[in-house]
Amino acid sequence: EIVLTQSPGTLSLSPGERATLSCRASQIYSSNYLAWYQQKPGQAPRLLIYGASRRATGIPDRFSGSGSGTDFTLTISRLEPEDFAVYYCQQYETFGQGTKVEIK
Amino acid sequence: QVQLQESGPGLVKPSQTLSLTCTVSGGSMSSGGYYWSWIRQPAGKGLEWIGRIYTSGSTKYNPSLQSRVSISVDTSRNRFSLRLTSVTAADTAVYYCARDRNSGWHSEWFGPWGQGTLVTVSS
Repeated sequence: EIVLTQSPGTLSLSPGERATLSCRASQIYSSNYLAWYQQKPGQAPRLLIYGASRRATGIPDRFSGSGSGTDFTLTISRLEPEDFAVYYCQQYETFGQGTKVEIK
Repeated sequence: QVQLQESGPGLVKPSQTLSLTCTVSGGSMSSGGYYWSWIRQPAGKGLEWIGRIYTSGSTKYNPSLQSRVSISVDTSRNRFSLRLTSVTAADTAVYYCARDRNSGWHSEWFGPWGQGTLVTVSS
């Protein structure tokens, strides 16, 4: 069974700052199966990144994904007000526990 | 643009069966080789995959729920459904349906998602 560990649990940043979110898998799997989602309060998750580094349709280029093996990263280059949300990584049918990006 | 919409009762009594339907619009479920999944989220908690179905009727379920869950598809009406039996308070959650890009073995990503529907298990 895959376990995905996201860190940090909460990230407190200001608009315009860079956000770096981590997702670590318990075993090595293909990076084809690593995706990232954004979820705002009261909304469904939205696909941001798939295949570890490919942006989904309509996702701004300030969002980028990287990594391979067991370590993956979601980077938001410059936080916009609408980016403050919870972010989940997913591999196979398992989701991480989420990282909350909050306004400092 | 494909859209998904969940529907079904918002309140279910303990020990009874939870039934939800997801209607897909903006495209045929049978095109593109996608699978179709159910995912749930208890209040304030993370996401749990429940199971998926292909338009052929082939299914796969989360082992932790397998004994209680079934998913079916009606391609003529472009919708798929979830049944979860013997529910308890632990099944209270927002239930989402989502399109599932799948290798045939595992999910690669989910998108788009329905808006979600809250199901409360209470007497």
